[in-house]
Amino acid sequence: NAGVTQTPKFQVLKTGQSMTLQCAQDMNHNSMYWYRQDPGMGLRLIYYSASEGTTDKGEVPNGYNVSRLNKREFSLRLESAAPSQTSVYFCAPKEASEDTSTDTQYFGPGTRLTVL
Amino acid sequence: SQQGEEDPQALSIQEGENATMNCSYKTSINNLQWYRQNSGRGLVHLILIRSNEREKHSGRLRVTLDTSKKSSSLLITASRAADTASYFCATDAGEGNKLVFGAGTILRVKS
Repeated sequence: NAGVTQTPKFQVLKTGQSMTLQCAQDMNHNSMYWYRQDPGMGLRLIYYSASEGTTDKGEVPNGYNVSRLNKREFSLRLESAAPSQTSVYFCAPKEASEDTSTDTQYFGPGTRLTVL
Repeated sequence: SQQGEEDPQALSIQEGENATMNCSYKTSINNLQWYRQNSGRGLVHLILIRSNEREKHSGRLRVTLDTSKKSSSLLITASRAADTASYFCATDAGEGNKLVFGAGTILRVKS
């Protein structure tokens, strides 16, 4: 997970509370992604930012907002947390070069969120 | 919806044996990537194979891609206990550079 920092590592919220998950990368990659992983499932894309200043919805965006603060940082916000948002959240930068067929995605260590 | 589906869901082998995991997907792709996830950790990128490649090697890993069957396989040779992990395939269809993941194969290597 070198080059990708996620904070916090763990968080417990009560239903209705809000919080922001932070992600920072030092790889100078253009694109950044937020995924969630639920038990027994692969990762599902929540939101992504193809480049600084742009954000787009992924597969499961409801209940979340994002901010691409600058090239390094991409935050994910839960405005009113629900138990269904209990999950592990991964931030993942990607180079997004001209030849996208070779772009590799790197993952942060994850934030484990429990909503009671 | 998940693009890739791994098979088997779980695999248990003895140390030294080979492990083969398969991945099927539904749409045309730019590339296919394999990741490993140790319990409680993030995903580690293993290997990327482009849509115009048929086979790729990296150390004890061998990946094949058959675009006509929309399938890929990951072979780990001479497995070790440290290979115990979940393995995911992910496809990049070139749409917004997004990866779509399968549900993964849980590999257990017994020593």
